[in-house]
Amino acid sequence: EAQVTQNPRYLITVTGKKLTVTCSQNMNHEYMSWYRQDPGLGLRQIYYSMNVEVTDKGDVPEGYKVSRKEKRNFPLILESPSPNQTSLYFCASSFAPDYEQYFGPGTRLTVT
Amino acid sequence: TQLLEQSPQFLSIQEGENLTVYCNSSSVFSSLQWYRQEPGEGPVLLVTVVTGGEVKKLKRLTFQFGDARKDSSLHITAAQPGDTGLYLCAPILSGNTGKLIFGQGTTLQVKP
Repeated sequence: EAQVTQNPRYLITVTGKKLTVTCSQNMNHEYMSWYRQDPGLGLRQIYYSMNVEVTDKGDVPEGYKVSRKEKRNFPLILESPSPNQTSLYFCASSFAPDYEQYFGPGTRLTVT
Repeated sequence: TQLLEQSPQFLSIQEGENLTVYCNSSSVFSSLQWYRQEPGEGPVLLVTVVTGGEVKKLKRLTFQFGDARKDSSLHITAAQPGDTGLYLCAPILSGNTGKLIFGQGTTLQVKP
């Protein structure tokens, strides 16, 4: 089944404790991206990757890192999480930015 | 900086009513996508409109792209409880930059 998977689905952590949210797709997509979703703000892009080893900042990259060492995986790293990073996070993939985006199920992160 | 406005933000209607959601911008887009997101899931593509003035129909949903490709609307006829969800517009910028933006979303609740 073609899909985007994210792990974990739920995470409660404390300020400053490094964490990684994994994202994997099995559709051989070139383009992958991360978003955060907050009430009233819609989806805001954090980082995107046009291909392996090619990543770039979206609209809200501060406090986040990403890497794209393999085509299928695009992990989101929070080196020192803060409470303002409490949010619902989505990973998405597609053949290109202007194609249909396939979203993962989301990761709800709470930073206390 | 392009501005993107989606309205209304919230809509609560009775089953059988009609409604229209708007997505407006000051920028010209090469195309525009509409997504629907149900609680606990990631957004799913409904339609992509590409040509100025284009109208696409998906059962009771009618999507229109403005002649100048700066705005779009989603009209639902005879809304059903199954239409409940968050509707997001996502204009695609020219040049395939990789950056994607989404509207703030319209939360639709259709009561039986």
